[in-house]
Amino acid sequence: IAGITQAPTSQILAAGRRMTLRCTQDMRHNAMYWYRQDLGLGLRLIHYSNTAGTTGKGEVPDGYSVSRANTDDFPLTLASAVPSQTSVYFCASSVAGGGTDTQYFGPGTRLTVL
Amino acid sequence: AQSVTQLGSHVSVSEGALVLLRCNYSSSVPPYLFWYVQYPNQGLQLLLKYTSAATLVKGINGFEAEFKKSETSFHLTKPSAHMSDAAEYFCAVSDRGSSNTGKLIFGQGTTLQVKP
Repeated sequence: IAGITQAPTSQILAAGRRMTLRCTQDMRHNAMYWYRQDLGLGLRLIHYSNTAGTTGKGEVPDGYSVSRANTDDFPLTLASAVPSQTSVYFCASSVAGGGTDTQYFGPGTRLTVL
Repeated sequence: AQSVTQLGSHVSVSEGALVLLRCNYSSSVPPYLFWYVQYPNQGLQLLLKYTSAATLVKGINGFEAEFKKSETSFHLTKPSAHMSDAAEYFCAVSDRGSSNTGKLIFGQGTTLQVKP
């Protein structure tokens, strides 16, 4: 069982370019999440999805969009990247999105925007 | 609204010494609290969680945490540090005030260094 996979592992991107970070889970979890991790700030939620077909905004959604066409995939798109989006991005999933659920994290994507 | 504060961005202990990582929370409702660990160049994995059952929670790798409502704390401890415990540790609380109660609010993280 792979759990959660993310691609790419790392990427250097020119400012203004469009980029999609991919996330796939094989655990049939209903809820999925995207976080960014920045030094001294911990992890901050960008967007989430309670179930296929629905998405919601987290703490720092500006400049990002997501879609949830099916249970397994939850891509994160930067429409026009800016240097402040340089970060490590983690995708996570949980069984049902409940408050006591354990979240399972992918290995992360390190993104550098120049 | 919920929030989490981790006291100390870096903690250094000697191998075999007690590990104490501090976490205080703010919540207007009974909180669900978590500790996650992140090893270098990896994603986060759950150490333990408090979900309003026993106040002393035991987790993996010998870690435990005690929920203290009067102190609004959920400190993480381990009696004897191993070199393999060197990692970054995050305390988190569920955002129970939102439509998705599974949303986590993380603290800033504490890097644990273990010296031989």
